[in-house]
Amino acid sequence: QVQLQQWGAGLLKPSETLSLTCAVYGASFSDYYWSWIRQSPGKGLEWIGEIRHSGSTNYNPSFKSRVSISVDKSRNQFSLRLTSMTAADTAVYYCASARYARLDFWGQGTLVTVSS
Amino acid sequence: EIVMTQSPATLSVSPGERATLSCRASQSVSSNLAWYQQKPGQAPRLLIYDASTRATGIPARFSGSGSGTEFTLTISSLQSEDFAVYFCQQYHNWPPYIFGQGTKLEIK
Repeated sequence: QVQLQQWGAGLLKPSETLSLTCAVYGASFSDYYWSWIRQSPGKGLEWIGEIRHSGSTNYNPSFKSRVSISVDKSRNQFSLRLTSMTAADTAVYYCASARYARLDFWGQGTLVTVSS
Repeated sequence: EIVMTQSPATLSVSPGERATLSCRASQSVSSNLAWYQQKPGQAPRLLIYDASTRATGIPARFSGSGSGTEFTLTISSLQSEDFAVYFCQQYHNWPPYIFGQGTKLEIK
């Protein structure tokens, strides 16, 4: 069974950078795309971007100028960086695995609050 | 960009009854549609993919249908654990993956 465990800072000040990491257990890292999604009351579920084990990425144009997703194959981990955070970025952030474009396993979620 | 619209926003149904949830795409997504269930404080869980295929471990009372722009999730006989929020997601034109805004299924 695939399990994803995520962690990172939950409270940021405006203009700071969000950094989250997701560890993958029970899956071959090369079999999936690895995604980040966020959920806020105002905007619902928003897909942020994804990465393959090769390091190739796809990003949502809405975030493209601020987002970076990286992978550490040696640790079976992938990470999200989102710069220039504002209050509008307050949300629960999830990591997830995607095979054939369906998001079949999810992390537990991290509540990220942006406040001065 | 494709827009996914779910209806109704809230659906009130009694346990044991059938629930029918709708999802409409602004343009054809073929059968490239998934449904997710989300309970309070939990991450979404994949229920249905390719419009009608149940994910591993999903009970047979959940069924999906449709293609093109109109899709339906049916729960044949509601159990207490089925009251949750349901999202559809298209993956015909990706990236990005696009989700509907969700339907809250509540106990009547």
